[in-house]
Amino acid sequence: GAVVSQHPSWVICKSGTSVKIECRSLDFQATTMFWYRQFPKQSLMLMATSNEGSKATYEQGVEKDKFLINHASLTLSTLTVTSAHPEDSSFYICSAEDPSGNTIYFGEGSWLTVV
Amino acid sequence: AQSVTQPDIHITVSEGASLELRCNYSYGATPYLFWYVQSPGQGLQLLLKYFSGDTLVQGIKGFEAEFKRSQSSFNLRKPSVHWSDAAEYFCAVGGILTGGGNKLTFGTGTQLKVEL
Repeated sequence: GAVVSQHPSWVICKSGTSVKIECRSLDFQATTMFWYRQFPKQSLMLMATSNEGSKATYEQGVEKDKFLINHASLTLSTLTVTSAHPEDSSFYICSAEDPSGNTIYFGEGSWLTVV
Repeated sequence: AQSVTQPDIHITVSEGASLELRCNYSYGATPYLFWYVQSPGQGLQLLLKYFSGDTLVQGIKGFEAEFKRSQSSFNLRKPSVHWSDAAEYFCAVGGILTGGGNKLTFGTGTQLKVEL
């Protein structure tokens, strides 16, 4: 079964509202998680590295005030898309690094549609 | 900067035929290399990975990949393709230069279609 779970699997929200996506490691504690986004028929682009107990590290070009990341516990990281716009519609995937650092597990992904 | 190139956007093979998906990378240090498979609307499943050691890596579902440092390649192969292998395949690279082995740069993917 899945060792990294994302919720919700899909969400539709109105333009201008905020939406939160959760990423949970189910069988291990993850000090590091990663958030990616994937546009239809395109590759995955790393958005940010989420570190438990500290601020996330954002990739160049990713707006940290728009994509808020909180890694409040060793099993949960959240991505909040603030003031969402239709261009934010995408597939968001998280991954979690196991304690050994040798293995990462990807979540099932979350479809966001902003209307 | 690191990069991954998957030259083939689409590949179609007949069921039972052999398969090779190409992956070339650019990385200024020893790379960690991965192949993932993604079914439509789904997350990613790790097929195999290379960190060090034997350059021929065996993965799940009968896949293997060979790391060739001289060619900066990490091609994925399968001797006999099954219809259920139809999916999108991503090659990825990570390592110390990207802040850690698990912070990945992905290729653009290769869409595999299998003809019955």
